[in-house]
Amino acid sequence: NAGVTQTPKFQVLKTGQSMTLQCAQDMNHNSMYWYRQDPGMGLRLIYYSASEGTTDKGEVPNGYNVSRLNKREFSLRLESAAPSQTSVYFCASSGTGFEAFFGQGTRLTVV
Amino acid sequence: DQQVKQNSPSLSVQEGRISILNCDYTNSMFDYFLWYKKYPAEGPTFLISISSIKDKNEDGRFTVFLNKSAKHLSLHIVPSQPGDSAVYFCAASDWKAAGNKLTFGGGTRVLVKP
Repeated sequence: NAGVTQTPKFQVLKTGQSMTLQCAQDMNHNSMYWYRQDPGMGLRLIYYSASEGTTDKGEVPNGYNVSRLNKREFSLRLESAAPSQTSVYFCASSGTGFEAFFGQGTRLTVV
Repeated sequence: DQQVKQNSPSLSVQEGRISILNCDYTNSMFDYFLWYKKYPAEGPTFLISISSIKDKNEDGRFTVFLNKSAKHLSLHIVPSQPGDSAVYFCAASDWKAAGNKLTFGGGTRVLVKP
């Protein structure tokens, strides 16, 4: 049982480049999330999707866009990467309860 | 303005002793609280949770205590084991808000020494 799968696991971008982080879950969960983790800051919510067809901003949405492609997939796009977006990105999903299940993360470095 | 705070960035404890991790929150709308454990290069994994209608929840070696009046919760690990060495995140949610979003604290790194 794969749970939440994120690709890629590592990525190095140059300032101004764009990329899309992919996330898929196989637990039939309605809600999906993108978080970023920075030292001492915990995990901060970038965007979330409460259900298929809806997306909403979280705490730190600037510089990002998302697409809920279907119930399984939720992608995060950086249109013009900046060094401040160097971070570890986690995708998560949840069903009817509050417990969220996380992917293994994408370590992104913007140089 | 962090709504969930873990004021101790690190904790070192001897194997077999108790680990106590603390978490404070400011948003009175939060009514469900969770603890997550994270190993390096892995995603966080759910550990234990508590609803605001309770003041204690226990699961094996892990117990979470909630003091609503103080807006404070704590995680007790007894006895601590070397495999418990990880970063622990406190998280909170408002069940009335859409999407079951979690707000996380900054984490506490626990080192259990053999």
